[in-house]
Amino acid sequence: AQKITQTQPGMFVQEKEAVTLDCTYDTSDQSYGLFWYKQPSSGEMIFLIYQGSYDEQNATEGRYSLNFQKARKSANLVISASQLGDSAMYFCAMREARSGNTPLVFGKGTRLSVIA
Amino acid sequence: NAGVTQTPKFRVLKTGQSMTLLCAQDMNHEYMYWYRQDPGMGLRLIHYSVGEGTTAKGEVPDGYNVSRLKKQNFLLGLESAAPSQTSVYFCASSRSGRATGELFFGEGSRLTVL
Repeated sequence: AQKITQTQPGMFVQEKEAVTLDCTYDTSDQSYGLFWYKQPSSGEMIFLIYQGSYDEQNATEGRYSLNFQKARKSANLVISASQLGDSAMYFCAMREARSGNTPLVFGKGTRLSVIA
Repeated sequence: NAGVTQTPKFRVLKTGQSMTLLCAQDMNHEYMYWYRQDPGMGLRLIHYSVGEGTTAKGEVPDGYNVSRLKKQNFLLGLESAAPSQTSVYFCASSRSGRATGELFFGEGSRLTVL
């Protein structure tokens, strides 16, 4: 069963508008971490934001915020005031705390295109 | 600020050839990982290591071997390359194996098997 689901293969957004990238996850653990990474066309993986399962407040990092709805098991990334440089692949990922060490599991990604 | 370094960045192989990808990190991280990225598939874990001298299988380990003889290095080997192993390979490391542990990635290695 897929642990991370990103249902939007591609998204378009107008420059300066906000956009939400969807991510749902599946785990039976109580303790886990959720991550978003950005991959621009140059190929590197850039860490954007982290949300812990016990964090009561949604994580924010500059123009990035994570809309965490634990009961729905969703961790959507919100990008405010989109810029042309935001055009990239975005990956949602999860790390469970079951055995003290579990690798990061990634979704298939969403390609975001920002239009001028 | 080297972080995680992968060599080589690009390689073309013929079917049946062997090669080794080297990953080196200078952050004194315990945990290291090899992922492969294919179009529409996201990143899938090949093998990982929780410390020097230890390795474990990930989601797609077949056709690959790894070694972690030194803490800072994690090698990924292809003994007999196949076209299905054409992919972009990413190495990553983390300080912690806990849920909060962010992964730091190398720049990727693009491998083509003809």
